[in-house]
Amino acid sequence: DAKTTQPNSMESNEEEPVHLPCNHSTISGTDYIHWYRQLPSQGPEYVIHGLTSNVNNRMASLAIAEDRKSSTLILHRATLRDAAVYYCILRDAMNYGGSQGNLIFGKGTKLSVKP
Amino acid sequence: EPEVTQTPSHQVTQMGQEVILRCVPISNHLYFYWYRQILGQKVEFLVSFYNNEISEKSEIFDDQFSVERPDGSNFTLKIRSTKLEDSAMYFCATGRSLLSLGYFGPGTRLTVT
Repeated sequence: DAKTTQPNSMESNEEEPVHLPCNHSTISGTDYIHWYRQLPSQGPEYVIHGLTSNVNNRMASLAIAEDRKSSTLILHRATLRDAAVYYCILRDAMNYGGSQGNLIFGKGTKLSVKP
Repeated sequence: EPEVTQTPSHQVTQMGQEVILRCVPISNHLYFYWYRQILGQKVEFLVSFYNNEISEKSEIFDDQFSVERPDGSNFTLKIRSTKLEDSAMYFCATGRSLLSLGYFGPGTRLTVT
């Protein structure tokens, strides 16, 4: 699976929007972009995923660049509960013979939210 | 909302002992995974399991590790002879399909002394 690059850490103020960037310049045409987060002392939690178009769900929005070499996870109003490590992960949906569903986690971005 | 559960939440064992970590997947899920996270480090893939057999395993998943789904519900990870370096959080994850990922359990903290 292609590699992603994320800032080590970011800070945000409560109730303000947060834009978490991810670079994936070597993304292939069949790579899905997944975002997970890990709250302190918890397991990873799925946030959102997309392929080409921007995606919205109740947790966040995912903005994907037109060339797909980068994406941004948007938390519209950060809360203290959003303080976590956010992981941007690519997964090749066509690679059924290889990594069948396993996720390759990087170091992610540690998001701090200030009250 | 359905969730993956894991037992025990914390297991302390002596080096060389066998441990079995248990996971109850979400009921209609068909794909099962184990991951581990050593304190302060990245989450690492161990093994994936589908249709009652291992689909893929990482280099970490050596002969000391095994997985099974003995009764069609629980999904277990066994470590035959634990080592100090096996101390970590072990997460079970399940999914309905290859693309439907992402339901992780709360983890079992394994401490090997």
